[in-house]
Amino acid sequence: DAKTTQPPSMDCAEGRAANLPCNHSTISGNEYVYWYRQIHSQGPQYIIHGLKNNETNEMASLIITEDRKSSTLILPHATLRDTAVYYCIVRVVNQGGKLIFGQGTELSVKP
Amino acid sequence: DGGITQSPKYLFRKEGQNVTLSCEQNLNHDAMYWYRQDPGQGLRLIYYSQIVNDFQKGDIAEGYSVSREKKESFPLTVTSAQKNPTAFYLCASSSRGTSGPTDTQYFGPGTRLTVL
Repeated sequence: DAKTTQPPSMDCAEGRAANLPCNHSTISGNEYVYWYRQIHSQGPQYIIHGLKNNETNEMASLIITEDRKSSTLILPHATLRDTAVYYCIVRVVNQGGKLIFGQGTELSVKP
Repeated sequence: DGGITQSPKYLFRKEGQNVTLSCEQNLNHDAMYWYRQDPGQGLRLIYYSQIVNDFQKGDIAEGYSVSREKKESFPLTVTSAQKNPTAFYLCASSSRGTSGPTDTQYFGPGTRLTVL
């Protein structure tokens, strides 16, 4: 069972920041939060991950609350090519560090 | 180019036939994974391998088989015992097959299998 909950869909205007929320209230202390995105009929693309500190890379920023029960992925300047399904994933420590996917958030970036 | 390749992209088979899906990586990763995705759903783990000549069942292994004879290859066979084989199959790899912060999983482009 997925350990995360996300809104099923969101819209964002092109050029604006997209803020995608995720709840993971049952996360364990040593489990990381990962974000991937998937464009239709392609393999998931890794975006970013974190444990408890905020993280930033060339694609996005990840803000994790102090209690680690929720996080937000921020795409600072969304483009039409960012339209995809975004998955927030808690990575478990067993089964080879498998990823447990939920149903994700379908982000539509509109002109 | 380093990466993960899966072939073919689309595959059609008749019901009752076994079919093997290919996954190759040139990232020198120890661990490889197979996931299945159904329409509108997230991915579910079928099998994984953390080292050559060893593999473990995931959450939905029934009706599937794998082998890991070479580090770079992890083929998946969908057998006739799999009740609902039509799905999108994704292969992934990671450096060591752990949950460590530097051990990110990277995915191939996927194979869409349709059983008629």
